[in-house]
Amino acid sequence: QKEVEQNSGPLSVPEGAIASLNCTYSDRGSQSFFWYRQYSGKSPELIMFIYSNGDKEDGRFTAQLNKASQYVSLLIRDSQPSDSATYLCAVNYDNAGKSTFGDGTTLTVKP
Amino acid sequence: DTGVSQDPRHKITKRGQNVTFRCDPISEHNRLYWYRQTLGQGPEFLTYFQNEAQLEKSRLLSDRFSAERPKGSFSTLEIQRTEQGDSAMYLCASSLAFQGDTQYFGPGTRLTVL
Repeated sequence: QKEVEQNSGPLSVPEGAIASLNCTYSDRGSQSFFWYRQYSGKSPELIMFIYSNGDKEDGRFTAQLNKASQYVSLLIRDSQPSDSATYLCAVNYDNAGKSTFGDGTTLTVKP
Repeated sequence: DTGVSQDPRHKITKRGQNVTFRCDPISEHNRLYWYRQTLGQGPEFLTYFQNEAQLEKSRLLSDRFSAERPKGSFSTLEIQRTEQGDSAMYLCASSLAFQGDTQYFGPGTRLTVL
């Protein structure tokens, strides 16, 4: 079992809909959680980070963290075709050092 | 441009050759990371530095891989005696300690070993 699990998808939503991306992690000591967007052939681009239980909103993006359930999610509201990419979930154990990544969820937003 | 930069962006080499990649982090960042990513997989941690000290190295990293950050600024990653299995995207990221270790990635170096 991988330390960070994501549904590989592909996830397809119509333009304007809400896309929901999920991630679970195995290490209860994990403290920092990150979402990256990665276009094909490009490097990961940081979208959001979250450290505390609850919701964190930034524009059209909302990250949700539930440490008891070891679950972190990303909601994308008003999805646009330009949001079509692979979304990577990353987890840090001790706020210092390496990130452990899931293998990503591929999102397609259809016009 | 004040982001992370990597050089070269692409490298094609023959099996058995040595290759070296360079990473220049965001100037005020004291932590620098190397990851490797293959198609369909998430980035895999290789090693990281805080200033010039190499603090962690993945046990998956063979002795053919070595990284340095001699003055706590740029870093190099060398792969000796390359193998076809080394073909991947090599990603560098940097962060500022005490800010939750939020890492920002460079554009990557794509290595192809023939």
